[in-house]
Amino acid sequence: SQQGEEDPQALSIQEGENATMNCSYKTSINNLQWYRQNSGRGLVHLILIRSNEREKHSGRLRVTLDTSKKSSSLLITASRAADTASYFCATPGGSNYKLTFGKGTLLTVNP
Amino acid sequence: SQTIHQWPATLVQPVGSPLSLECTVEGTSNPNLYWYRQAAGRGLQLLFYSVGIGQISSEVPQNLSASRPQDRQFILSSKKLLLSDSGFYLCAWSARGNTGELFFGEGSRLTVL
Repeated sequence: SQQGEEDPQALSIQEGENATMNCSYKTSINNLQWYRQNSGRGLVHLILIRSNEREKHSGRLRVTLDTSKKSSSLLITASRAADTASYFCATPGGSNYKLTFGKGTLLTVNP
Repeated sequence: SQTIHQWPATLVQPVGSPLSLECTVEGTSNPNLYWYRQAAGRGLQLLFYSVGIGQISSEVPQNLSASRPQDRQFILSSKKLLLSDSGFYLCAWSARGNTGELFFGEGSRLTVL
């Protein structure tokens, strides 16, 4: 079963705008991860936020985590056409051995 | 540095034929290994994971099997493919004892006709 669910399913913006994607999950977690997938390629790990962290930054990425609401958000600032990809949140499903992924948000950045 | 190789990249097979997808990891020892499947427009479904040689855990009952004959080799197999086995298969590894960050291969696109 899906643990994380991303919202929206698809997002289309212009270059230079910010993109925000949300993730909701169901059970308690010790960390939440975001991944990126270019069309037809494997996933690439972007950032991990631990349950005792509320916000984390990596370059143009900003991730927040609200454990009381069981939700996370990924913000990409000053987006570029090269940011066009699907973005997935993932949470440990019972153990750190097993990550459960949502269905992803398809982000399209128009030049 | 660690690398993961997965092959073949693309495969078209008739229903009822066998399948073998292979994945190898370089530059690390004792990795956790995973096979995921991604159907069109959907998220990733964990099929199998392995924490050691010969140790396979199956997440979903299905027409597939996995084996880990060597520490850094993970194989996904089927004796007889079904139409529903079509999809994008992803191999991944994670390091022991960490927070579970996964490193993915480039994927294998399987079409069963």
